[in-house]
Amino acid sequence: DADVTQTPRNRITKTGKRIMLECSQTKGHDRMYWYRQDPGLGLRLIYYSFDVKDINKGEISDGYSVSRQAQAKFSLSLESAIPNQTALYFCATGGLGLEFGEQFFGPGTRLTVL
Amino acid sequence: DQQVKQNSPSLSVQEGRISILNCDYTNSMFDYFLWYKKYPAEGPTFLISISSIKDKNEDGRFTVFLNKSAKHLSLHIVPSQPGDSAVYFCAARRSEKLVFGKGMKLTVNP
Repeated sequence: DADVTQTPRNRITKTGKRIMLECSQTKGHDRMYWYRQDPGLGLRLIYYSFDVKDINKGEISDGYSVSRQAQAKFSLSLESAIPNQTALYFCATGGLGLEFGEQFFGPGTRLTVL
Repeated sequence: DQQVKQNSPSLSVQEGRISILNCDYTNSMFDYFLWYKKYPAEGPTFLISISSIKDKNEDGRFTVFLNKSAKHLSLHIVPSQPGDSAVYFCAARRSEKLVFGKGMKLTVNP
């Protein structure tokens, strides 16, 4: 079973709709992150959370909100989707004391906003 | 302003030869530098990293070199294999957040 799961894997929606992307992890990590990937732009940080009561904006948080429902669950919402939010979205986890400083990524959600 | 730069969008090498992927950064406060590999329709997977206090880290066919004075790191893959064909992202860590480069597509030809 995958350690970091994302649902849905693909979503097509219309401008103005509210969308929620969900992330769950079984790695036991306390840090969770949401990134988006656009062609030619790499991955950019949207929001991150270091524990259930901690939520922080990343580089590109405008138009997004998040909820950390439990240590293992971190959801990303688009309150009113717009076409330039069409992208690949990745959830990631990390933890204090990891030997290599790495984060672990889910398989991604491909979101298309028409 | 890009803090992590991968200036070459693609690289093509022959199987068995060396692949060298380069990355430059601007922020001296990064504490780790990481390489991720990404196949289509999958999330990035961690490959190798190096602490800012070291200049070399090796793991099997993969070696990362860090030149702090030049703010430059490189990933060497020897020997390259067709299964190494993927997009490679360089990333730098500060305060437990990662900053990614734009990625580079590596193609290893049989």
